[in-house]
Amino acid sequence: LAKTTQPISMDSYEGQEVNITCSHNNIATNDYITWYQQFPSQGPRFIIQGYKTKVTNEVASLFIPADRKSSTLSLPRVSLSDTAVYYCLVGDKSPMIKAAGNKLTFGGGTRVLVKP
Amino acid sequence: NAGVTQTPKFRVLKTGQSMTLLCAQDMNHEYMYWYRQDPGMGLRLIHYSVGEGTTAKGEVPDGYNVSRLKKQNFLLGLESAAPSQTSVYFCASTPPPGGQPQHFGDGTRLSIL
Repeated sequence: LAKTTQPISMDSYEGQEVNITCSHNNIATNDYITWYQQFPSQGPRFIIQGYKTKVTNEVASLFIPADRKSSTLSLPRVSLSDTAVYYCLVGDKSPMIKAAGNKLTFGGGTRVLVKP
Repeated sequence: NAGVTQTPKFRVLKTGQSMTLLCAQDMNHEYMYWYRQDPGMGLRLIHYSVGEGTTAKGEVPDGYNVSRLKKQNFLLGLESAAPSQTSVYFCASTPPPGGQPQHFGDGTRLSIL
């Protein structure tokens, strides 16, 4: 199970681009990289998922280098409402959760504060 | 479209009391999960289910039991609540074939005195 490391917190200002890097040195061949966003008093919400290179959707972009040992979530032109905790997860996209334990581990996340 | 619904949203218990948290999803998902989240920490998996009638232990299963009698419902039980179980509990589900991404409920905040 690949462990992830990401910064504890980041500050930014409205209109800026926020980049959060996650390290996952032990990522396995079958592992995908997924990012979630969590607001206070709410459950995590899926943002984006990728396997390699670059993935973009209407909310964010995900950059994954060739060695896949890290990934960067990019939030373009953030607003105050983007203040949240962002979690990087690495694990199988497909099933076969093993009886030995969980396949998905949420780390401590990165607390992003967007200032006016 | 309700998604994943958790009841109750808040609850205060006394040590030794029992209770059941209910998670219901209307997306016909096969996989369901129960997590707990403590202050300043990420989510930790308690139990999960890969289908109706099946359950399995996650990372922190002690003190909890679960049941999945119906596909749409996943129940988390505390037989004898302890202060260490004070936490926010999240339920999640995934469509086939499981794994990610997961759809989460908005949590149950449980305090045990």
